[in-house]
Order: sequence, then structure tokens, then C-alpha cells
Amino acid sequence: QKEVEQNSGPLSVPEGAIASLNCTYSDRGSQSFFWYRQYSGKSPELIMSIYSNGDKEDGRFTAQLNKASQYVSLLIRDSQPSDSATYLCAVGFQKLVFGTGTRLLVSP
Amino acid sequence: DAGITQSPRHKVTETGTPVTLRCHQTENHRYMYWYRQDPGHGLRLIHYSYGVKDTDKGEVSDGYSVSRSKTEDFLLTLESATSSQTSVYFCAISEGTSVMADTQYFGPGTRLTVL
Repeated sequence: QKEVEQNSGPLSVPEGAIASLNCTYSDRGSQSFFWYRQYSGKSPELIMSIYSNGDKEDGRFTAQLNKASQYVSLLIRDSQPSDSATYLCAVGFQKLVFGTGTRLLVSP
Repeated sequence: DAGITQSPRHKVTETGTPVTLRCHQTENHRYMYWYRQDPGHGLRLIHYSYGVKDTDKGEVSDGYSVSRSKTEDFLLTLESATSSQTSVYFCAISEGTSVMADTQYFGPGTRLTVL
């Protein structure tokens, strides 16, 4: 059974701080890694994709992948109240396995 | 937004009745997926399709069937709905042709309540 683990949270950070979201996965052969953001009552929307070890930056978001440790993370710099949502980690190729998500709360 | 629509968006039905949910895409993507999302379980794959008339089971396929007669439409059928199938159902699409073209984009979801 392929698994993706996330801390359910909530992770509470003040506005302007860095939020760090973490995810571990069990399938060592995984090739694709994704972070989705989901607001309450809405569908998941893609934040970042990452395919190779290291960091990938897009605006305030940085995804980090360490395949040896089977670990992927998402950093959100200068967190805003609008970033308050549940963040889903997904791993795989063609058939994704999703974590249960980490709820992020950014307080003004 | 990716061109994905789902219908209906909300449905209330009774135990034992058949229910069909529709996913329609305008992106001409090869892969289409049906997920359900429940508190504490996250998104779980029900069935997916990798082409017209080509489908396969996911993690939680019992009680569900699918059909894809056209590239743009993927139907999910609950032959005899049960209360355990009360959930939010999401359709997703992807090109799926390579690792770099595997990003899944989600439709708006259908909230199904089985009484």
C-alpha cells in the first residue's frame, strides 16, 4: 500500500512568517511530486510540481525534494491570511496518492 | 482554470437508487480520474481512464462503475447508492503522456448525499 503522510495540523503562523509544510512518502520509485492548495468547499488547485532532488521556487513558494529521505516539503514565505487553506501533498505518476492534508492558518 | 465541468454540482438521493455523475473536459487530455474526498481520508482514487473505452480501478472502486465513450466525457455510476457513498466527488484530468506532463487538474466537485 503506497502511502503519503502529512501532519494534519493546524499549523498556525503569523502574517509575514514562513510556513513550512512537510510530507513523507513510502514508494521509493515515485517520480512526480505535487503540492495542491484547497480552500474549504473548493476543489484542489495546483501550487507546485517537482520532479528532481533539490529546491524549486515559484514566487513566495519553494518546494523541496529529497528522494533519499523520501521527503518533500513546501515553504511559503511572507505568509498571508489568504494562504489559510489545506495543503495536499500528492505523489506518483498517472495514479497519484494523496496525503490527508495539512491545514494552515495565517493570523493577521 | 482547466476546462473541466462536473454535473450535477449537488445531488440528494435515496439509498438503493442509481446515480450517474458526469465529468466533461475541453482540454482533449487523455487521462481522466474520479476521486472521492471524505474527512480523515483525503482524496481517494475510484476509477481512472487512459483513453476512450480504456478504464481501470483505483483504491476504492467497489460499488462504482465508469464509462468513457468520448474523449471529453467520463461518467461515474453508482448502481445502487448507499449512505457510505455520501461524499464529495472530484473529477481530474491530465495529459499523462510523460512524467513532466502528469499534472492533474481538478473539476469543481459534486456533493452527493445519500439518505
